[in-house]
Amino acid sequence: NAGVTQTPKFRVLKTGQSMTLLCAQDMNHEYMYWYRQDPGMGLRLIHYSVGEGTTAKGEVPDGYNVSRLKKQNFLLGLESAAPSQTSVYFCASSYRTAYNEQFFGPGTRLTVL
Amino acid sequence: KQEVTQIPAALSVPEGENLVLNCSFTDSAIYNLQWFRQDPGKGLTSLLLIQSSQREQTSGRLNASLDKSSGRSTLYIAASQPGDSATYLCAVRRGDDKIIFGKGTRLHILP
Repeated sequence: NAGVTQTPKFRVLKTGQSMTLLCAQDMNHEYMYWYRQDPGMGLRLIHYSVGEGTTAKGEVPDGYNVSRLKKQNFLLGLESAAPSQTSVYFCASSYRTAYNEQFFGPGTRLTVL
Repeated sequence: KQEVTQIPAALSVPEGENLVLNCSFTDSAIYNLQWFRQDPGKGLTSLLLIQSSQREQTSGRLNASLDKSSGRSTLYIAASQPGDSATYLCAVRRGDDKIIFGKGTRLHILP
């Protein structure tokens, strides 16, 4: 099993450009999450999904959109990138059961110039 | 609002020592608490998850405890090794499935 994978691993954007980050999991997990990690700020939840076709806002949702059209995929979109969105983005997934341990992907390093 | 705090931010200890990392949270209405380690430039690796109804969980040299009433969790590492050097993060899951992370403790084991 590949676990949680993220595409791409690195990306450089110019201000105003758009892009989509893809997260895929092969563990049949119901829940999926997108986080950003910044120095001194720790990991912060952007959006999450508790099942196919559902999404919910996390702690820092502004400037991002998400979609969960298939159970195994969770997409994070930036419509008009800003330098403040320079960060490392992590995706995670977990079961819906009581013991819903999160498993993380390797991260995407995004720089917005 | 749930806040998660990890003190100290950094810790250095000689190899072989036992050590305790701390995690505190302000709202005791949590669903579970999970400990992770993160190596530089890498993703997060799950270490232990404690349900709100549990008091502790053990895995090898690691033992995590949870005291909901006082809003505290500890991660005990026995007989530390240089390979234990990493950043350790705790995260609490709220009843609405939102997850709040602490900022981590950067641990350095001195050979």
